[in-house]
Amino acid sequence: DGGITQSPKYLFRKEGQNVTLSCEQNLNHDAMYWYRQDPGQGLRLIYYSQIVNDFQKGDIAEGYSVSREKKESFPLTVTSAQKNPTAFYLCASSAGTSGYNEQFFGPGTRLTVL
Amino acid sequence: DAKTTQPPSMDCAEGRAANLPCNHSTISGNEYVYWYRQIHSQGPQYIIHGLKNNETNEMASLIITEDRKSSTLILPHATLRDTAVYYCIVRVDPLGDSNYQLIWGAGTKLIIKP
Repeated sequence: DGGITQSPKYLFRKEGQNVTLSCEQNLNHDAMYWYRQDPGQGLRLIYYSQIVNDFQKGDIAEGYSVSREKKESFPLTVTSAQKNPTAFYLCASSAGTSGYNEQFFGPGTRLTVL
Repeated sequence: DAKTTQPPSMDCAEGRAANLPCNHSTISGNEYVYWYRQIHSQGPQYIIHGLKNNETNEMASLIITEDRKSSTLILPHATLRDTAVYYCIVRVDPLGDSNYQLIWGAGTKLIIKP
């Protein structure tokens, strides 16, 4: 089945530690996205990538980093510089960022920093 | 900042049509309206999108007013599985380079009652 996988579903970390969230897609999509969602809120864009080895900052990139070494993979690192990292993180992909390309979402990773 | 305003919650009886309103009074002429829904703690799911004309697909209908300042998503025969948060989203082109982003608001929590 084609789709997007995120792992793990739940993640706990101590304050001050960096943590990397995994996102993999087998839809052959060029574009991938990372969003953050806080309780009762909509999604906010952290980073997006239109093509391998290229990525752009979204609205709330501070304290996060990404890489796009393979088309299928777009890992997100939450660094210790992120002041309030506890949130629900969603990865998405689309055929491209232009036109009417629907974004397909993974199941999300709920990160709790203790 | 979100470009849409939605009621925070709505109820609808099972089997009836659910009509979800959305205001987007500052929308620009080339900005599309998208609707996604999110069942609790899952990734959002695409429903429909439109620019000026009314649109219909197997999931829903989208009615956009002539002045494009508001729209309504219609689920024609709501079922219990339609209980979710519904997001009305404006697709923007922040850099003017046809790399579009979705601007999410807080959504409407729709509860379908038996």
